[in-house]
Amino acid sequence: DIQLTQSPSFLSASVGDRVTITCRASQGISSYLAWYQQKPGRAPKLLIYAASTLQSGAPSRFSGSGSGTEFTLTISSLQPEDFATYYCQQLINYPVTFGGGTKVEIK
Amino acid sequence: QLQLQESGPGLVKPSETLSLTCAVSGASITTTTSYWSYIRQPPGKGLEWIGSVPYSGSTKYNSSLESRVTISLDTSKNHFSLKLTSVTAADTAVYYCARLSSNHDAFDIWGQGTVVTVSS
Repeated sequence: DIQLTQSPSFLSASVGDRVTITCRASQGISSYLAWYQQKPGRAPKLLIYAASTLQSGAPSRFSGSGSGTEFTLTISSLQPEDFATYYCQQLINYPVTFGGGTKVEIK
Repeated sequence: QLQLQESGPGLVKPSETLSLTCAVSGASITTTTSYWSYIRQPPGKGLEWIGSVPYSGSTKYNSSLESRVTISLDTSKNHFSLKLTSVTAADTAVYYCARLSSNHDAFDIWGQGTVVTVSS
């Protein structure tokens, strides 16, 4: 199975900060990577797919990059509604796997 | 607009079978670009993929659960279902149904989630 390792697992930041989250795959996954945002008590919401394509309706301050084994999710200017947990997910082959999550909290 | 709604018991006894249904509205489950999926999240933990079933093709399961899990489609009711047998406390989680889009290789539509507790 392909393992996804996210870093950091916890991040404290202020409104307006630029935030970067990394996801590393245990083997190459081309661009078959997606990013999700999850708020407490809510289902995850798709932000980015194919490593860098913004999902319809997701704010443009979110961007994704990378290919192969290293990927990043960037929030260009953190907003109050962005405080949440973020997960990466791969599907180059089954089983689908998720990263362990990165919790973004208010500094 | 595609929407998913889970239903099922919130409490299941150990060794019994967990059964959930996900009603699909706004689209047919016979669409060829969709894999109908379940994902779970134990309390305070991350996301675990359970399995995905297409209308046409083979069902895929997480190998750690494969001996206990079945996901099936009911085209007459436009819904899909999860059965997990021989449950233990480790199966306590929020269970989500979701659409895995083969166009995006990502879960683009999610149900609201349902809490299932395994306890006697």
